[in-house]
Amino acid sequence: GAGVSQSPSNKVTEKGKDVELRCDPISGHTALYWYRQSLGQGLEFLIYFQGNSAPDKSGLPSDRFSAERTGGSVSTLTIQRTQQEDSAVYLCASSLSSGNTIYFGEGSWLTVV
Amino acid sequence: KNEVEQSPQNLTAQEGEFITINCSYSVGISALHWLQQHPGGGIVSLFMLSSGKKKHGRLIATINIQEKHSSLHITASHPRDSAVYICAAPINMEYGNKLVFGAGTILRVKS
Repeated sequence: GAGVSQSPSNKVTEKGKDVELRCDPISGHTALYWYRQSLGQGLEFLIYFQGNSAPDKSGLPSDRFSAERTGGSVSTLTIQRTQQEDSAVYLCASSLSSGNTIYFGEGSWLTVV
Repeated sequence: KNEVEQSPQNLTAQEGEFITINCSYSVGISALHWLQQHPGGGIVSLFMLSSGKKKHGRLIATINIQEKHSSLHITASHPRDSAVYICAAPINMEYGNKLVFGAGTILRVKS
């Protein structure tokens, strides 16, 4: 498709398990963002990739969270040893460059039980 | 204090009313985004503006870069406008701009 694609759309996992969330940005977009949104809360910045530069990881809440972006395109957000407080919608967004209109994916709904 | 502040946090209006949502930011930016998130839905970009005013249908966005303030207006509001409206400011980093989001304004338009 032409938009930002995220998978899985829904994930239920047991506490302590690892999860991987995938984001396919719009082709050619150099800027990619991961955010999360807990129920009834605002958007929380997690990590930002811009081209080939080192990512801005300042929003990652703990060392259980990591993200990669391979070949400047697809990104994977990994949460190790999931906790119940990790339950949230994880949103990926991309833009042509950091100063352009931003496009969001539909999000990955993560529930840790 | 957040770098991007929105007000009000919650807003309930009657159908047909004129609505204003405000966004103030504490850092120097060159542009600002307004986003819309429907209940249970995704997020879409409404505007990106760097000066003056932009209009799309019943939505109008204004920005004053010097005063570090932007407003989103909705004319002749309708229940389908009910959503969360979010402003976002690109904060200049060494390698690009990182978006910082306001907390959002929850708008409910009653018929």
